Amino acid sequence: DIQMTQSPSSLSASVGDRVTITCRASQSISSHLNWYQQKPGKAPKVLIYAASSLQGGVPSRFSGSGSGTDFTLTISSLQPEDFGSYYCQQSYSAVWTFGQGTKVEIK
Amino acid sequence: EVQLVESGGGLVQPGGSLRLSCAASGFTFSDHYIDWVRQAPGKGLEWVGRSRNKAKSYTTEYAASVKGRFTISRDDSENSMYLQMNSLKTDDTAVYYCARIIVVSACHFFDFWGQGTLVTVSS
Repeated sequence: DIQMTQSPSSLSASVGDRVTITCRASQSISSHLNWYQQKPGKAPKVLIYAASSLQGGVPSRFSGSGSGTDFTLTISSLQPEDFGSYYCQQSYSAVWTFGQGTKVEIK
Repeated sequence: EVQLVESGGGLVQPGGSLRLSCAASGFTFSDHYIDWVRQAPGKGLEWVGRSRNKAKSYTTEYAASVKGRFTISRDDSENSMYLQMNSLKTDDTAVYYCARIIVVSACHFFDFWGQGTLVTVSS
């Protein structure tokens, strides 16, 4: 199975900060990489699909980049409602895998 | 409005069985792949398995951690899919979500999720 490794596992940042989360695949997955946000007690919600495409209704402060094995999720200006956990997920192989998650806290 | 509603969770003893259901509405269920994803308490997301659609002969995929113990099936006439879980272990304790897959620009991703149902495996 393809392993997905996210970093950092957690971060604390202030409102207005630029936040970057990275995700590395154990083999090339082209651009078959998606990012999800999950709030406590809720189901995940897709933010970015195909590495860099913004899902409809998602604020433009969220962006994704990368291809092959290295990917990045960026929040250009952190907002109070952006707290929660973020997961990358590969859809390249038949067996999908998630990164272990990054917990984002607001200072 | 697209909706996915899971049911069937509860407390079960190690070695026991449980069947989860996922009822869909608001879209053409038979067109879509549907997956199960679980989340152990305080942990991350773990992909469990998939049912492809009729066009792909309802083929299934499973994570290594559940292969041989869990079985996914679906009934398009009822707009429902199922997760039969046998030989349950304490490590299977989790909230189980069903999620719809959509394809955009040749990329597959989950665009709608259910609210989840909690399965607790404990003696």
